[in-house]
Amino acid sequence: AQKITQTQPGMFVQEKEAVTLDCTYDTSDPSYGLFWYKQPSSGEMIFLIYQGSYDQQNATEGRYSLNFQKARKSANLVISASQLGDSAMYFCAMREGPGNTGKLIFGQGTTLQVKP
Amino acid sequence: GAVVSQHPSRVICKSGTSVKIECRSLDFQATTMFWYRQFPKQSLMLMATSNEGSKATYEQGVEKDKFLINHASLTLSTLTVTSAHPEDSSFYICSAVGLASRDTQYFGPGTRLTVL
Repeated sequence: AQKITQTQPGMFVQEKEAVTLDCTYDTSDPSYGLFWYKQPSSGEMIFLIYQGSYDQQNATEGRYSLNFQKARKSANLVISASQLGDSAMYFCAMREGPGNTGKLIFGQGTTLQVKP
Repeated sequence: GAVVSQHPSRVICKSGTSVKIECRSLDFQATTMFWYRQFPKQSLMLMATSNEGSKATYEQGVEKDKFLINHASLTLSTLTVTSAHPEDSSFYICSAVGLASRDTQYFGPGTRLTVL
């Protein structure tokens, strides 16, 4: 069974509008971390935002926020005020267990295109 | 965020030759480094986990003798693709994590390997 699921292969958004990229996960470990990365056409993986399973508040980083719904096991990424430079592939990832040396499990990715 | 470099960024080689890819953490000590492989428009596939001073842990289905990993210091890990064949052509990307990176894996810019 997929541990990380991104159900949107591709998304379009108008410049300056907000967009939500979906991510659901599956784990029985009470301690885990959730990550979002952006991969532009150049290939580099850019870290965007992190949410720990015990964090009480949703993570925010500038225009990025993570809508963490623990009971639903979802960790959707919200990008506000989209910019043309946001066009890229976005990956949701999960690290199981405590500590920071665990391996990441990636979702299939969502390609976001921002329209001018 | 932390900086991870990878060298070379692009390599073309003949079938049967070996190729070495370096991954360096530039501004923090990486206790663990990870090597991933990515095919076009697909997600990242973890190949192995590398801890400084010990043998790498390979994922199921990854040939240890084909993909040699060495983590000689807290800032350097190398991946050597031995006797490369055209099916080894792919995008290889490393990540590093350490005490200073606060639960986050930071990725290198990737290496595009083409085997003729």
